Amino acid sequence: DTAVSQTPKYLVTQMGNDKSIKCEQNLGHDTMYWYKQDSKKFLKIMFSYNNKELIINETVPNRFSPKSPDKAHLNLHINSLELGDSAVYFCASSQMASSTDTQYFGPGTRLTVL
Amino acid sequence: GIQVEQSPPDLILQEGANSTLRCNFSDSVNNLQWFHQNPWGQLINLFYIPSGTKQNGRLSATTVATERYSLLYISSSQTTDSGVYFCAVDSSNDYKLSFGAGTTVTVRA
Repeated sequence: DTAVSQTPKYLVTQMGNDKSIKCEQNLGHDTMYWYKQDSKKFLKIMFSYNNKELIINETVPNRFSPKSPDKAHLNLHINSLELGDSAVYFCASSQMASSTDTQYFGPGTRLTVL
Repeated sequence: GIQVEQSPPDLILQEGANSTLRCNFSDSVNNLQWFHQNPWGQLINLFYIPSGTKQNGRLSATTVATERYSLLYISSSQTTDSGVYFCAVDSSNDYKLSFGAGTTVTVRA
């Protein structure tokens, strides 16, 4: 059974378009995250939600808007896509919003902006 | 924010060899995790190890929190061990992991 799943796995789109990436976890966790991995494989936190409430919002352009309809889902919507948005986006979850909790990652979504 | 440095950046091994990867961090940590990103891009949890020693098969990890470093040992390496190994830490109770730049391991048959 997949613990943290993301759709789509690959996304190719034109500059200026709006796209969404979906994430679901079936672990019963309260906290979910979005990370971005750039072309040099550097991973950085973008957002975190705990029980549908935003708790971490790093310095991310406001073209990126996370939405958590329930604690098992955290979606990422990106408006007016730019070339620099090309990256792999990972969703993750943990039992609770605790710095001592293990985070489990989804398979990633590779976004390519042309 | 906390600095996380991993070494070496690249490692080429012959199958069957042993190796040690290092992670240095600049502040005390509440959380330290080692991940393996396989050639297909998936991030796999290896260890949650803010302190102490753990072993899982051919892999083991040790974190010396007082000296601010962690080591990941790979013994009898196999080609399936190839990929990027990341160390990630949380130092400030703000629930976010800060990642090192990774060590790219290539195991040759």
